[in-house]
Amino acid sequence: KAGVTQTPRYLIKTRGQQVTLSCSPISGHRSVSWYQQTPGQGLQFLFEYFSETQRNKGNFPGRFSGRQFSNSRSEMNVSTLELGDSALYLCASSPRDRVEGSGANVLTFGAGSRLTVL
Amino acid sequence: QKEVEQDPGPLSVPEGAIVSLNCTYSNSAFQYFMWYRQYSRKGPELLMYTYSSGNKEDGRFTAQVDKSSKYISLFIRDSQPSDSATYLCAMSANGRGSTLGRLYFGRGTQLTVWP
Repeated sequence: KAGVTQTPRYLIKTRGQQVTLSCSPISGHRSVSWYQQTPGQGLQFLFEYFSETQRNKGNFPGRFSGRQFSNSRSEMNVSTLELGDSALYLCASSPRDRVEGSGANVLTFGAGSRLTVL
Repeated sequence: QKEVEQDPGPLSVPEGAIVSLNCTYSNSAFQYFMWYRQYSRKGPELLMYTYSSGNKEDGRFTAQVDKSSKYISLFIRDSQPSDSATYLCAMSANGRGSTLGRLYFGRGTQLTVWP
């Protein structure tokens, strides 16, 4: 069973440019979440989608946006890149969208897209 | 102050040692507690999962949650060089009926087990 696939794995951009990152969740998973990982802040939640609807959004500026397609694949976009946007962007998928009882609610992460902004 | 605090280390131990990793948190609404392991150039992978307070054991790994103290721990017995990785604690803020995609992470503890 294929895991969560993120593309591209590495990319370099310059300030002011925009970037689009792609995530293909595990087959059958309908929930996709995005996180930003930096050495200083750790993993920070960006947003979460389920059935093409944004369910939750973290505390990031409007330059960060995302969407989910009918096949559950997701993209995130960062416009007007800043140096501080350099990070590992992680996508995670889950078969469910809600916490239910005491059962495990597992997020499976992809390997990430490492963005460097020069 | 972050909602989840974790000592980033680094932590370096000899093979066979018992490793103790800890996190504290401030949000009393957290009910789901997880430990993820992240190898270099990889995404985090779920290692242990605990609901509410108590202990959970899985092979060489034991997770403990003390909600009264807002403190969680991960113990690794008989540590191996293959355990060298960054260990991240994570928590879910809401209970039943809430979205699960939002986790609150500690910054991670970098562990090296040397032979």
